[in-house]
Amino acid sequence: EVQLVESGGGLVQPGGSLRLSCAASAFPFNMYSMTWVRQAPGKGLEWVSYISSRSGTTFYADSVKGRFTISRDDAKKSLYLQMNSLRVEDTAVYYCVRLNPHGAGDVWGQGTTVAVSS
Amino acid sequence: DIQMTQSPSSVSASVGDRVTITCRASQGFSGYLAWYQQKPGKAPKLLIYAASSLQSAVPSRFTGSGSGTDFTLTINRLQPEDFATYYCQQSNTFPLTFGGGTRVEIK
Repeated sequence: EVQLVESGGGLVQPGGSLRLSCAASAFPFNMYSMTWVRQAPGKGLEWVSYISSRSGTTFYADSVKGRFTISRDDAKKSLYLQMNSLRVEDTAVYYCVRLNPHGAGDVWGQGTTVAVSS
Repeated sequence: DIQMTQSPSSVSASVGDRVTITCRASQGFSGYLAWYQQKPGKAPKLLIYAASSLQSAVPSRFTGSGSGTDFTLTINRLQPEDFATYYCQQSNTFPLTFGGGTRVEIK
């Protein structure tokens, strides 16, 4: 079964760091662009970051630029999101998402919860 | 940035009704528009990609249309399992952006 499983969420103080991981299975991970999408409690969906297949070109939302870093390890079939200088407003469920060639998220993980609070 | 404005923000409907949700983009583009369904506590599910292509295993009562700045998701013959929140998303340019969501509620 094609699957994405996130891990690494938790409770962290403002200014702290977390590293999210996403393990992919049952598809050729290296051939797909990947993205992170988050959803704050009771709010809508917000795109966070993107990484292309092969070249590893990256893009970030302005709200996380300079604080978050997306990366991938194709050998381990894994996607990562290093989150530094966390803010209260980063509190959300973070989803790992596979993009199809049209840029649509066709496979989503179950989400991992990040809570930033003192 | 391309802003995606979804309307209505919520709609009350009955089983068997037709529901239409609109997404308006602040800049025109063609093709790179997706629609998702999300139920409480669950990850979103892709329904439509490339504005009008039905994702595998999604019922044919879901249809997408539009280009330029105006896109539409239509749910024909609403079923009990369709009560959820729906989002549009453009992937024409970065940053990728989502509409604010439309909650489809039971009348």
